[in-house]
Amino acid sequence: GQQVEQSPASLVLQEGENAELQCTYSTTLNSMQWFYQRPGGRLVSLLYSPSWAEQRGGRLTSSAASNESRSSLHISSSQITDSGTYLCAMERGTGGYKVVFGSGTRLLVSP
Amino acid sequence: DAGVTQTPRHEVAEKGQTIILKCEPVSGHNDLFWYRQTKIQGLELLSYFRSKSLMEDGGAFKDRFKAEMLNSSFSTLKIQPTEPKDSAVYLCASSPTKNQDTQYFGPGTRLLVL
Repeated sequence: GQQVEQSPASLVLQEGENAELQCTYSTTLNSMQWFYQRPGGRLVSLLYSPSWAEQRGGRLTSSAASNESRSSLHISSSQITDSGTYLCAMERGTGGYKVVFGSGTRLLVSP
Repeated sequence: DAGVTQTPRHEVAEKGQTIILKCEPVSGHNDLFWYRQTKIQGLELLSYFRSKSLMEDGGAFKDRFKAEMLNSSFSTLKIQPTEPKDSAVYLCASSPTKNQDTQYFGPGTRLLVL
């Protein structure tokens, strides 16, 4: 079946550094969405990207490379409060909502 | 305006029991989602409603899982009968519409099946 792989599995940054999180997928993409979860906290939607469209929100940018079946989330000027788990979700197909989630990237931003 | 609320926050069930989880979406939202989150499987979609109509029933979860949305402000997820492998956090989310819009998540119900 379709799979979504996220990399890296974990990432440690110094505050102020930039991060690039990646999702690769094995089937035709309708859209990609990124979510964030702090330990013990609620899931939060970050960005929604229809196929191949770049999306921006504050210090976040999501982009997709259709020829590489890959989507990226860029975090610029990371802050300690960015620490947590980032999940990507791939939506495929037409009609309904057929979504597959990646296993997540754990980000730790240290002072 | 209240966010998505879920009750109970924690539930412990014996194998074979029937449990019902509840969700109240954000007022005015058209779409409602039920997800399951475990350490091993990660996040999985169970059901998706648009304007109270079931649009996605989660395929593999059909047999023992049934989500209903009797009105626009309330949804339930019934698991019958429960099995230990159902132990997970069950999340409810709502959004104005699925496309282009943010999903707002509830705090989740942590279910333990013994």
